[in-house]
Amino acid sequence: GDSVTQMEGPVTLSEEAFLTINCTYTATGYPSLFWYVQYPGEGLQLLLKATKADDKGSNKGFEATYRKETTSFHLEKGSVQVSDSAVYFCALGLNTNAGKSTFGDGTTLTVKP
Amino acid sequence: DAGITQSPRHKVTETGTPVTLRCHQTENHRYMYWYRQDPGHGLRLIHYSYGVKDTDKGEVSDGYSVSRSKTEDFLLTLESATSSQTSVYFCAIKGGGADAGELFFGEGSRLTVL
Repeated sequence: GDSVTQMEGPVTLSEEAFLTINCTYTATGYPSLFWYVQYPGEGLQLLLKATKADDKGSNKGFEATYRKETTSFHLEKGSVQVSDSAVYFCALGLNTNAGKSTFGDGTTLTVKP
Repeated sequence: DAGITQSPRHKVTETGTPVTLRCHQTENHRYMYWYRQDPGHGLRLIHYSYGVKDTDKGEVSDGYSVSRSKTEDFLLTLESATSSQTSVYFCAIKGGGADAGELFFGEGSRLTVL
């Protein structure tokens, strides 16, 4: 079946440090890939997405590139801020199967001033 | 704002009691989902719906049932709550058009079963 594996956390960084959160996937079809972010006490919200191979999603300084050859969608940010502290989820979604999405376990990021 | 509201937001109940969580959307989306979130497990799909009275099981459906009698409402019922069902429950809808594939989430319902 479909699955998403993302880097285990928690991750603790100092402000302005470089962030990478690794994500790899297994899927039988041609999925779209997503990164969602969850701030404390809130639901998940979309951070960025990519719908086909070699697409780069970007938002709020975060980027991720859909790599079909390595089945990866790693999240990066060049300079994190305290306000980026949150839980990050990698997910894949297929256009079949009622559009069900498969999520990774989430990575908790804490950024210290 | 995807217009999703969940109720109740917090509930404490006792083992063996029935519990119903409600998800209400104002966007007229076809697909709706119930997930549970637990530490170390990410989000796991409980049930989903692809239209009025059309529902199907997800990966952790045991002990849960759902109903969708109107497009805007998707109900999750725990017939007899157990402590293992203590969790945070999220409803989501699937976007269409330019948002195709993206999920929009409610703010969650925290359930504690004593």
